[in-house]
Amino acid sequence: AQSVTQPDIHITVSEGASLELRCNYSYGATPYLFWYVQSPGQGLQLLLKYFSGDTLVQGIKGFEAEFKRSQSSFNLRKPSVHWSDAAEYFCAVVPEGFKTIFGAGTRLFVKA
Amino acid sequence: EAGVTQFPSHSVIEKGQTVTLRCDPISGHDNLYWYRRVMGKEIKFLLHFVKESKQDESGMPNNRFLAERTGGTYSTLKVQPAELEDSGVYFCASSQLTALDNEQFFGPGTRLTVL
Repeated sequence: AQSVTQPDIHITVSEGASLELRCNYSYGATPYLFWYVQSPGQGLQLLLKYFSGDTLVQGIKGFEAEFKRSQSSFNLRKPSVHWSDAAEYFCAVVPEGFKTIFGAGTRLFVKA
Repeated sequence: EAGVTQFPSHSVIEKGQTVTLRCDPISGHDNLYWYRRVMGKEIKFLLHFVKESKQDESGMPNNRFLAERTGGTYSTLKVQPAELEDSGVYFCASSQLTALDNEQFFGPGTRLTVL
């Protein structure tokens, strides 16, 4: 069965430090891959997506993610974290059809 | 352009009562989805409409849940009777029928608390 693993339930980084959130998926082919962010009281906002082409994708708010087929990974990165980045981040895949499969989420805390 | 809207934003009901959640998709989006996040768990797919037809309802937990999309516009999700384990955040999403990457646009969610 298809699945998405986000191994880190929560991460704390200092403001200005770099960030990497891990995501691994289980699927035979390359699915469509997404990262969403949910800030407190807000809905899910799409940060970036990958479905073909360049394996390094740029998103909003300075985020990027790299698709690595050999590792079945789609890790999210940001070179310098801002306090406003504190939120919960979800990796998601759409393996086929239309059903989105989400990871459990990683909550990011940013310390001054 | 208005995004996906959901009503109410919060609902607190007692076990055994009925609750109806509403979702208004982005205008022109034929695909509409319901998802649910139970506390501490991942967001799980419930069902998918294409216009007014149920395309996939494999994620619906049981027959206490009824989703409708009459006329292919807004959708409702009714829980009757509600149980404690139904508490969580219910998300709605929509997408264009022909979107190659199936980017889904999510609403803010309805937080349901069953006491």
